[in-house]
Amino acid sequence: AQSVTQLGSHVSVSEGALVLLRCNYSSSVPPYLFWYVQYPNQGLQLLLKYTTGATLVKGINGFEAEFKKSETSFHLTKPSAHMSDAAEYFCAVSDLRSGGYQKVTFGTGTKLQVIP
Amino acid sequence: SQTIHQWPVTLVQPVGSPLSLECTVEGTSNPNLYWYRQAAGRGLQLLFYSVGIGQISSEVPQNLSASRPQDRQFILSSKKLLLSDSGFYLCAWRGDRAGTQYFGPGTRLLVL
Repeated sequence: AQSVTQLGSHVSVSEGALVLLRCNYSSSVPPYLFWYVQYPNQGLQLLLKYTTGATLVKGINGFEAEFKKSETSFHLTKPSAHMSDAAEYFCAVSDLRSGGYQKVTFGTGTKLQVIP
Repeated sequence: SQTIHQWPVTLVQPVGSPLSLECTVEGTSNPNLYWYRQAAGRGLQLLFYSVGIGQISSEVPQNLSASRPQDRQFILSSKKLLLSDSGFYLCAWRGDRAGTQYFGPGTRLLVL
């Protein structure tokens, strides 16, 4: 069974500071990994994803994440926080099951607060 | 390009009343479709998924049901709402082999 753990339900950073949101996963097969962002009262938007190949993945809005198999981690980073980054972030893992059904398991989310 | 619509945007319903939430996808055919519920502080819970017309699978037993009457239409229903059905309901479709989920704007349901 696959699972995702996001460390820290709330993270606060100053504007211009490094953003680091932590995600660890568990999967019995090579995983596909995702980060999504959610603004209040909106659906989730894909930030970036890892499928195969390069372990450092770049996404939208200056975010990137690195897949570390030995640490079973997929942490999200951004060098310099902007006020507009304040939102809730979800890490997710998926694997392809029999019959072509793809189950995606989401973490419980991390709310990012950016302090001016 | 593909787009996904959900309505209504917001819904306030009394306990015991019926429910129907609709999701439609444009720009793709035979998509895998999903219903999620998001309760405060609890992340996303997968409720139902569908790989084709009339094919529905439930992830958790509950007061809700789902139907897929057309290829790009996915409906979430209840005969009698409970207080615990309150939440933010999200529809999504699978965009690629990796399982990338593309979400609709969501429906906020408040059961009083």
